Amino acid sequence: GQQVMQIPQYQHVQEGEDFTTYCNSSTTLSNIQWYKQRPGGHPVFLIQLVKSGEVKKQKRLTFQFGEAKKNSSLHITATQTTDVGTYFCAGPDRGSTLGRLYFGRGTQLTVWP
Amino acid sequence: DTGVSQNPRHKITKRGQNVTFRCDPISEHNRLYWYRQTLGQGPEFLTYFQNEAQLEKSRLLSDRFSAERPKGSFSTLEIQRTEQGDSAMYLCASSLATVRSGNTIYFGEGSWLTVV
Repeated sequence: GQQVMQIPQYQHVQEGEDFTTYCNSSTTLSNIQWYKQRPGGHPVFLIQLVKSGEVKKQKRLTFQFGEAKKNSSLHITATQTTDVGTYFCAGPDRGSTLGRLYFGRGTQLTVWP
Repeated sequence: DTGVSQNPRHKITKRGQNVTFRCDPISEHNRLYWYRQTLGQGPEFLTYFQNEAQLEKSRLLSDRFSAERPKGSFSTLEIQRTEQGDSAMYLCASSLATVRSGNTIYFGEGSWLTVV
């Protein structure tokens, strides 16, 4: 079945260091979405990538969608304590644009001041 | 507040009791989802509705679980004869699924269930 794998599961960085999380799918995705969940909170939508090779930026966050549309990454430059949380990628059901989303296990980011 | 609303936010129940959670989605959204999340895991899909029709149910959803969305607006998720393994956060989400906009889902704050 559809699987979305994320690595690493945990990442501890010092404030100011960069952070990257990787997402891989067993099948080609029509799109990929990224969510952030703060400790004790709920997942909050960050961004959606649709096109092969697409790169989008949100301030210090850079999102990439692979050329084959089977992998994606989120890179945070110069982390801050406000970046703490778990970052999830999610892709729709196989071959679907509007199907239910499958979530990865997430990468839990801890930032030391 | 026009976001997804869930209640109760926390529920502690004894094993064997029934519990019901309610979700009010974003009003203009046509889809409503239920996910379950346990510690250290991503949200796991349970079921979803398009308007009032329940279109898909996960194999994770045993016979003890039932979800309804009677008028295509709010939804309820009932768990009968709760077991300790049901302890989790139950997340409701909604989306306006269109070919143009895709299917970005917006989560509520979740309902935490503890079965003792």
